[in-house]
Amino acid sequence: QKEVEQDPGPLSVPEGAIVSLNCTYSNSAFQYFMWYRQYSRKGPELLMYTYSSGNKEDGRFTAQVDKSSKYISLFIRDSQPSDSATYLCAMRRGGSQGNLIFGKGTKLSVKP
Amino acid sequence: SQTIHQWPATLVQPVGSPLSLECTVEGTSNPNLYWYRQAAGRGLQLLFYSVGIGQISSEVPQNLSASRPQDRQFILSSKKLLLSDSGFYLCAWINGPYGYTFGSGTRLTVV
Repeated sequence: QKEVEQDPGPLSVPEGAIVSLNCTYSNSAFQYFMWYRQYSRKGPELLMYTYSSGNKEDGRFTAQVDKSSKYISLFIRDSQPSDSATYLCAMRRGGSQGNLIFGKGTKLSVKP
Repeated sequence: SQTIHQWPATLVQPVGSPLSLECTVEGTSNPNLYWYRQAAGRGLQLLFYSVGIGQISSEVPQNLSASRPQDRQFILSSKKLLLSDSGFYLCAWINGPYGYTFGSGTRLTVV
């Protein structure tokens, strides 16, 4: 079983839709959870981050972590064509600055 | 401000040729630096990381090597490229508990 699983998509939605992106993981030691956004031919950029369980909201974006289920989600409200990108989940253990473990990424396309 | 530079942006190399990709970081000292490769459908694969000058850890055995000759310089090399070395190479440095800042990447095509 891979440490982090993420459906690669592709996912295509109409503009204005609510998008739900998800990852599951197997290592209960993960404490830091992140979502990166990667536009075509660019490096990933940190979009959202949370520590341990709970929700975090930033504008149209909401990140959720359910440690009991080992499941994290990213919700995008009122999706825009500019949200079209690949979204990668990432996580790492607590303590010292260990290496991130990434999901494979979900490619999202928002159609005008 | 802290920035990371990576070059070249695009590279086409014949099989068997050498490779040198360079990454430099500005605005920080003694950063942890990383080389990743991103191949289609395979996600981000960690290749090497370095916690200081001359200190290199390899995550996977392969045709590549890395060096860190200066505090803010990280180099990815190969003596003889294989077709399977094609991919998108990303340099990154860790900037706190919530992850990395990535460079803009080098798209390598081995022909």
